[in-house]
Amino acid sequence: KQEVTQIPAALSVPEGENLVLNCSFTDSAIYNLQWFRQDPGKGLTSLLLIQSSQREQTSGRLNASLDKSSGRSTLYIAASQPGDSATYLCAANSGYSTLTFGKGTMLLVSP
Amino acid sequence: DAGVTQSPTHLIKTRGQQVTLRCSPKSGHDTVSWYQQALGQGPQFIFQYYEEEERQRGNFPDRFSGHQFPNYSSELNVNALLLGDSALYLCASSLWEGTYGYTFGSGTRLTVV
Repeated sequence: KQEVTQIPAALSVPEGENLVLNCSFTDSAIYNLQWFRQDPGKGLTSLLLIQSSQREQTSGRLNASLDKSSGRSTLYIAASQPGDSATYLCAANSGYSTLTFGKGTMLLVSP
Repeated sequence: DAGVTQSPTHLIKTRGQQVTLRCSPKSGHDTVSWYQQALGQGPQFIFQYYEEEERQRGNFPDRFSGHQFPNYSSELNVNALLLGDSALYLCASSLWEGTYGYTFGSGTRLTVV
């Protein structure tokens, strides 16, 4: 059974800092891994999708890496802004038609 | 291009009642999945529908049932509501098993009183 853990659970940083969010998964046999952003009470917005054959993906100030052998993924956010404040969720797609989510990292970026 | 659309946005029901939530997938997607997200937790997989059949099911009781229509839209039904069913219900659409990722809707907030 796939299990996903996200560290830290919460993070508070001043505007402009670079930061790293961590995601670990127990079963390395994944199809892909997807990072999402969730604003309070809202749905999930997809940020980045990394296929199992890829090592990293970039979109603007976001960069996600994947190391299947160690069961880890990181989301790097450069030059953080107050608008980045949200909960960030990672989800592992191990096939069997399901995504397994971590509990998320709640990020607060202060002006 | 419309993404995933869910209705209603919010819903308040009484314990013991039944509820139906609706989802229209992103254009071009043929698979619909449903997730339950309790406060402070990650989403939990309920079930997935493909070609109008339930393809996979998570650890949820039979009170949770669903349906997929020929136009790929889907419904989630919950019978005999319990207080613990209060949550954000998320619909996600994809192609096949999510090879190209999943797209989520804005969710339906269900409150059982």
